[in-house]
Amino acid sequence: AIQLTQSPSSLSASVGDRVTITCRASQGVSTALAWYQQKPGKVPKILIYDASTLESGVPSRFSGSGFGTEFTLSISSLQPEDFATYFCQQFHSIPPLTFGQGTRLE
Amino acid sequence: QVHLVQSGAEVRKPGSSVKVSCKASGGTFSSYTINWVRQAPGQGFEWMGGIIPILGTPKYTQNFQGRLTITTDESTSTAYMDLNSLRSEDTAIYYCAVSATYYGKFDFWGQGTLVTVSS
Repeated sequence: AIQLTQSPSSLSASVGDRVTITCRASQGVSTALAWYQQKPGKVPKILIYDASTLESGVPSRFSGSGFGTEFTLSISSLQPEDFATYFCQQFHSIPPLTFGQGTRLE
Repeated sequence: QVHLVQSGAEVRKPGSSVKVSCKASGGTFSSYTINWVRQAPGQGFEWMGGIIPILGTPKYTQNFQGRLTITTDESTSTAYMDLNSLRSEDTAIYYCAVSATYYGKFDFWGQGTLVTVSS
């Protein structure tokens, strides 16, 4: 199974900061990678798919990049509603689909 | 837009089984990939398996081989996740999630079903 390793596991930031989260795959996944945001007690929300495509309705301060084994999610200017947990998912090689362990932004 | 409604919370004893349902409305149920994932307390997500109703044959992750059965009822646009031989480590929130593409990104999620395994 392809393993996804996110870094950092937690990140302390302030409103207005630019933050970057990394997701590394144990094998190449091309661009078959998505990023989700999850707030406590809520269902995850997709932000980015195919490594860099912004999901409809997601603010443009979110962006994704990468190919193969290294990917990043960036938030250009943190807003109060962005404090959440973010995780990546690969859908290149199944089964199984796999997820990163999550990055808590606080 | 697809709306997924899951069955309610369950409490089970070790060694028993649980069946969680996921009813879809909107969209074309038969052609979507219905995924089941779980999230243990304070943990990340674990994909358990999935099924495309029109194809019928589910895919499972090896961790659940033999314990997990995923089925669908196209007449009611409902998917089911049946997990047996439950142990305390199976305590988690179980989600169904729909991919509009073949085992792709998760476009829509159910609200989650808490399954607690405790003696």
